[in-house]
Amino acid sequence: SYELTQPPSVSVSPGQSARITCSGSALPKKYVFWYQQKSGQAPVLVIYEDTERPSGIPDRFSGSSSGTVATLTISEAQVDDEADYYCYSTDTNNKSVFGGGTRVTVL
Amino acid sequence: ELHLLESGGDLVQPGESLRLSCAASGFDFPNYAMSWLRQAPGKGLEWVSAISGRADNIYYADSVRGRFTVSRDNSRNILYLQMSGLRPEDTATYYCAKDAPRPFDFWGQGTLVIVSS
Repeated sequence: SYELTQPPSVSVSPGQSARITCSGSALPKKYVFWYQQKSGQAPVLVIYEDTERPSGIPDRFSGSSSGTVATLTISEAQVDDEADYYCYSTDTNNKSVFGGGTRVTVL
Repeated sequence: ELHLLESGGDLVQPGESLRLSCAASGFDFPNYAMSWLRQAPGKGLEWVSAISGRADNIYYADSVRGRFTVSRDNSRNILYLQMSGLRPEDTATYYCAKDAPRPFDFWGQGTLVIVSS
């Protein structure tokens, strides 16, 4: 079955940039979406269609995609950005798939 | 303001049934596809089921197909998930989410389902 692969954890110092990758063989043809989930809360969409940011999401969140790898970048990371981040996409049969999630620690 | 409120989660025994509800407000519910997703304790997100605005397109994850049924009442702005033949591996927080114009662009706070003897 199709998989999206994310690193389990990423650590970043406040004010530095954090980069989270999401790898999948179908990504050259499929959009990636990114969700932030803070502890005890519901997920929130932070990036859609690889690079677009919903209204209300700070511009320090950005997305990119090249080949089989999509990347979520948190520029000038803040303590408030500590959360689990999940990528989402579909396979070639339009079956929904989430990555395993990446825990971002800001310290 | 958009609002999604799930309810119906409970502790049930394996093999039993349960119906979850999701009350929607703040948007034109009949015109939007909706999804159910779940998250097992300490685990990642899993998409469970999706239903179009008029319920003419319905999809299920392989893990629940044949056991779960999604439906909606557009006159009352409520989404449902009927779960039968529940298994311990169905234990999770179940979320409903607005599924358009972007996938899962707004989520409820979730309801916990525990399947255990």
